[in-house]
Amino acid sequence: AQKITQTQPGMFVQEKEAVTLDCTYDTSDQSYGLFWYKQPSSGEMIFLIYQGSYDEQNATEGRYSLNFQKARKSANLVISASQLGDSAMYFCAMREGSGTYKYIFGTGTRLKVLA
Amino acid sequence: GAVVSQHPSRVICKSGTSVKIECRSLDFQATTMFWYRQFPKQSLMLMATSNEGSKATYEQGVEKDKFLINHASLTLSTLTVTSAHPEDSSFYICSAPPPGQGIDTQYFGPGTRLTVL
Repeated sequence: AQKITQTQPGMFVQEKEAVTLDCTYDTSDQSYGLFWYKQPSSGEMIFLIYQGSYDEQNATEGRYSLNFQKARKSANLVISASQLGDSAMYFCAMREGSGTYKYIFGTGTRLKVLA
Repeated sequence: GAVVSQHPSRVICKSGTSVKIECRSLDFQATTMFWYRQFPKQSLMLMATSNEGSKATYEQGVEKDKFLINHASLTLSTLTVTSAHPEDSSFYICSAPPPGQGIDTQYFGPGTRLTVL
């Protein structure tokens, strides 16, 4: 069965520094998608970055990059130059196999950026 | 970009009453929408898949008679929590994939916070 694991319930980072949020996944499918979402206290889910299982290069979106290590089944999110507004809950998610839009989510990591 | 809205954003109701939550795709048609539930300080859990013109598909452990889903049009899915109880208090989020943008594009609504007294 597919599974997403986020082992860091909470993280602190100093403003302007980089931080890595861990995510490992388990699936027997060859085709899958990995996502990171940010959820501020308002509750909305903000899409950050996506990595397809066949993508050979790591995805990047501005200050966000995804460190995709397929053999290790990890998809860590790296946030560079942290800002106070980055303080939020971060969820790693995976599309369950091909031909479906269903997502499974990890338990999340609460990031606090310190001034 | 595509927008998904939810209404209401917050609702407080008495135990035993029913509550309807709407999910709308504002600028695209969605034949499929998804309903998630998020308990405080927990992750999102998929409850059901809403299919336009047909019955919803519920995830294991979700009571279909308690969480009624109607997807009567290509832009609207409704989730009705029937005979709500305090344990149904949660954050309900819908999502929808816009057509023609691939399988890995999906937009989430802003969520509805339900509190049952």
